[in-house]
Amino acid sequence: GENVEQHPSTLSVQEGDSAVIKCTYSDSASNYFPWYKQELGKGPQLIIDIRSNVGEKKDQRIAVTLNKTAKHFSLHITETQPEDSAVYFCAATSSGSARQLTFGSGTQLTVLP
Amino acid sequence: KAGVTQTPRYLIKTRGQQVTLSCSPISGHRSVSWYQQTPGQGLQFLFEYFSETQRNKGNFPGRFSGRQFSNSRSEMNVSTLELGDSALYLCASSPGMGSGNTIYFGEGSWLTVV
Repeated sequence: GENVEQHPSTLSVQEGDSAVIKCTYSDSASNYFPWYKQELGKGPQLIIDIRSNVGEKKDQRIAVTLNKTAKHFSLHITETQPEDSAVYFCAATSSGSARQLTFGSGTQLTVLP
Repeated sequence: KAGVTQTPRYLIKTRGQQVTLSCSPISGHRSVSWYQQTPGQGLQFLFEYFSETQRNKGNFPGRFSGRQFSNSRSEMNVSTLELGDSALYLCASSPGMGSGNTIYFGEGSWLTVV
C-alpha cells in the first residue's frame, strides 16, 4: 500500500519568514495530493491540493509543488503569520473507485512573533 | 454552505460498551469516509461509503462498522470498546468517488474509553 513520509516533524520560524514542509510517497499510482491544517481541538482543514497533471499550484501565500519522478511534494508558506501556527498534514491517494487518503505524520509549525 | 457535521462532539464510554457516531456530509456530497486519529498512529482510514455501499475498508477489526443512508448521512459503530479505541473520529465528505474529488473533514467526535 501507499506510504507517505513527512518532514520535519516540528518547524519554528520567525513571523514573516517562509516555511517549507516536504513529503514523499511510495505509490507511483497516487495522483491526488492534498494538504490539511489542523488547529488544536479541530478537524483537518483543506488548505491546498494538487493533482498529478500539475507541477505547481499557488493560492495567495501558500504554494505546493509536485515532482512525480522523485515522488515528492512540498508545501511552501510565505510571509508567515502567528495564525499559521498549527499542525500540517500531507496526504496522497490513488485513482480508481476504491480510494483512501494516506497521511503523513504531521508537522507542528510554530510562527514566532 | 454548511460543512461536514459530526455528532456527538465529545463522549465517554466504558470498556465493553458500544458507540455510534453520526455524520452529515456537505449538501450534495455523496461520498463519506471515516478516519481515526490518535497521537501514536496518526490519521488512519477506516472505510468509505458511496451510494449506501461500502467501497473501501481500512485495516481495522470487525468491531468497527458503518453504514450510509439514502440521504448520504453516515454512521459508524464501534462495538466492545477497548481502551485503545480512544481517539478522534473524523468524518470526511466528497462530491463523488475518484481522485478528482476534493475531500473535506468535519470537526470530529472525541471518544474516550475508560
